[in-house]
Amino acid sequence: DAKTTQPPSMDCAEGRAANLPCNHSTISGNEYVYWYRQIHSQGPQYIIHGLKNNETNEMASLIITEDRKSSTLILPHATLRDTAVYYCIVRVLNYGGATNKLIFGTGTLLAVQP
Amino acid sequence: DTGVSQDPRHKITKRGQNVTFRCDPISEHNRLYWYRQTLGQGPEFLTYFQNEAQLEKSRLLSDRFSAERPKGSFSTLEIQRTEQGDSAMYLCASSSTFFGTGQLSSYNEQFFGPGTRLTVL
Repeated sequence: DAKTTQPPSMDCAEGRAANLPCNHSTISGNEYVYWYRQIHSQGPQYIIHGLKNNETNEMASLIITEDRKSSTLILPHATLRDTAVYYCIVRVLNYGGATNKLIFGTGTLLAVQP
Repeated sequence: DTGVSQDPRHKITKRGQNVTFRCDPISEHNRLYWYRQTLGQGPEFLTYFQNEAQLEKSRLLSDRFSAERPKGSFSTLEIQRTEQGDSAMYLCASSSTFFGTGQLSSYNEQFFGPGTRLTVL
């Protein structure tokens, strides 16, 4: 799977939008961009994923550049409960018996400040 | 709560002892994964089951580690002759490749449990 690059940490004021960048310059055409987050002492939680179009769900928005070499996860109104490590992962979706394992980097620690 | 559960949540053991962890996936999920996470790092893949078949093992899974999923439901991860370097959070995740209609899942989202924190003294 392609590697990703994320800043180690970011701060955001409560109530403001949090924009978390991710570089994936070697992404292949069939690789999706996934975002997970991990709140302290909990297991990772799926947030959103996309291939090339922008995506939005109840948790966040995902903006993928036209060349697909980078993306941004947007939390529109950050709260203190959004303080977590955010992981950007690129992966191929395999059908059949192939593993679909996740390869995590070190992620971005987002600290939402009151 | 119908999420992934793991037991125990915390385990402290002495070096050289054997430990066993249990994971109960979401009931209709046919895939189960084990990951290990050390402080300051992201989770690392250990092994993967589809139903009861163990289809992939990481090189991280030394011969002291063994995982089973005997009936395609819960899974156990055993570590024999524990070493201090085994201290970590052990995470289990499950996923489904099928929607209710029998259609293959388009993204195979993995749902994680809360983890078992192992401390080897």
